[in-house]
Amino acid sequence: GAVVSQHPSWVICKSGTSVKIECRSLDFQATTMFWYRQFPKQSLMLMATSNEGSKATYEQGVEKDKFLINHASLTLSTLTVTSAHPEDSSFYICSARALAGTDTQYFGPGTRLTVL
Amino acid sequence: QKEVEQDPGPLSVPEGAIVSLNCTYSNSAFQYFMWYRQYSRKGPELLMYTYSSGNKEDGRFTAQVDKSSKYISLFIRDSQPSDSATYLCAMSGGDSSYKLIFGSGTRLLVRP
Repeated sequence: GAVVSQHPSWVICKSGTSVKIECRSLDFQATTMFWYRQFPKQSLMLMATSNEGSKATYEQGVEKDKFLINHASLTLSTLTVTSAHPEDSSFYICSARALAGTDTQYFGPGTRLTVL
Repeated sequence: QKEVEQDPGPLSVPEGAIVSLNCTYSNSAFQYFMWYRQYSRKGPELLMYTYSSGNKEDGRFTAQVDKSSKYISLFIRDSQPSDSATYLCAMSGGDSSYKLIFGSGTRLLVRP
């Protein structure tokens, strides 16, 4: 149980284009999903918290107009990196908290974004 | 000072050894404590979850939480090369944000 998927697992795009990453909870409903960014050999950096049906809450320093988050259902959240630039290249990971669960978060496998 | 401190390692041990991984924290409001394992280029995988103080065992893994000392541990018995990964401790205060505060992760290498 508690499986979270992400799609795509790897994406390469040209500078200036937008990229959408999907995060799905496969066998449970998630009222809250989180988006993280991780640089090589570093820990996870929380970007935003996404609650179903409401606007995402962004962490300090994260541009909400650049990283658009939509949480339209209890099993799906999307992160769109708009007008991507090489400095946006990173490993993006989502996680989900179960509807009736604790603070435990279940993570997706991650999406590696490379912007040329 | 970081809220959660974790030795980055790397920690290198021979196969079969008992591994001890630790984190200290400063926020006494933390109530939920987790250990995640992350292989290179993969998302973190939940290993252990503990609420408040105490011990919890699952197979070769034992998690300990000492809230009085603000110290948590993960023990791995009979370590295997497949245990080689980065281990992240995480904790939260049980508030409405549900945010997790992560340690920096400890790289573990189990030598065959």
